[in-house]
Amino acid sequence: QVQLQESGPGLVKPSETLSLTCAVSGYSISSGYYGGWIRQPPGKGLEWIGTIYHSGSTYYNPSLKSRLTISVDTSKNQFSLKLTSVTAADTAVYYCARLVGATNGDYWGQGTLVTVSS
Amino acid sequence: QSALTQPASVSGSPGQSITISCTGTSSDVGGYNYVSWYQQHPVKAPKLMIYDVSNRPSGVSNRFSGSKSGNTASLTISGLQAEDEADYYCSSYTSSSTLVFGGGTKLTVL
Repeated sequence: QVQLQESGPGLVKPSETLSLTCAVSGYSISSGYYGGWIRQPPGKGLEWIGTIYHSGSTYYNPSLKSRLTISVDTSKNQFSLKLTSVTAADTAVYYCARLVGATNGDYWGQGTLVTVSS
Repeated sequence: QSALTQPASVSGSPGQSITISCTGTSSDVGGYNYVSWYQQHPVKAPKLMIYDVSNRPSGVSNRFSGSKSGNTASLTISGLQAEDEADYYCSSYTSSSTLVFGGGTKLTVL
């Protein structure tokens, strides 16, 4: 069955880089689906971070674009997120999701809490 | 990009129907038939309930339906059940090839 699993440090210091990986199983990233990252600050709503296609084409939230890199590794069937110069405002549960047609997330990871604190 | 506008909360009694609205602009909701709705229970990942305005994924109850008129999309839940109590989010594709979410609506089943 389709599964997505986020992994990465749960604590990042201010001004440093947040790095997460989404390991995919049950389907091939190269099979035409997009991969997406979405985050949710504690007690708040969902925020779309960005989307990547297996070709490497990326689409970023304009508010994060200057600090954001999303990449894909088809050989490992995973995609990754790097967010630089983090602040406390980047503290959130980070989800990865499989996006159909880049527009709707039919499978999601369980989410991982990343706290930005010294 | 600005978040889509949803009511902060709605409520209804078991068996009743409720509708949650999601208002955007002609650059997102009004311009594309790519509106999705997600259900999120506490400390759980969002679950896709409606995609492409009015389509239900396999396994989602037919009590959930979606529609759109102009720049406003709507999610209707009929025959409310206690298990429907959750947060609901809409999302839309935009003219900038990005996605945008609504602020979320807390549904309370009385």
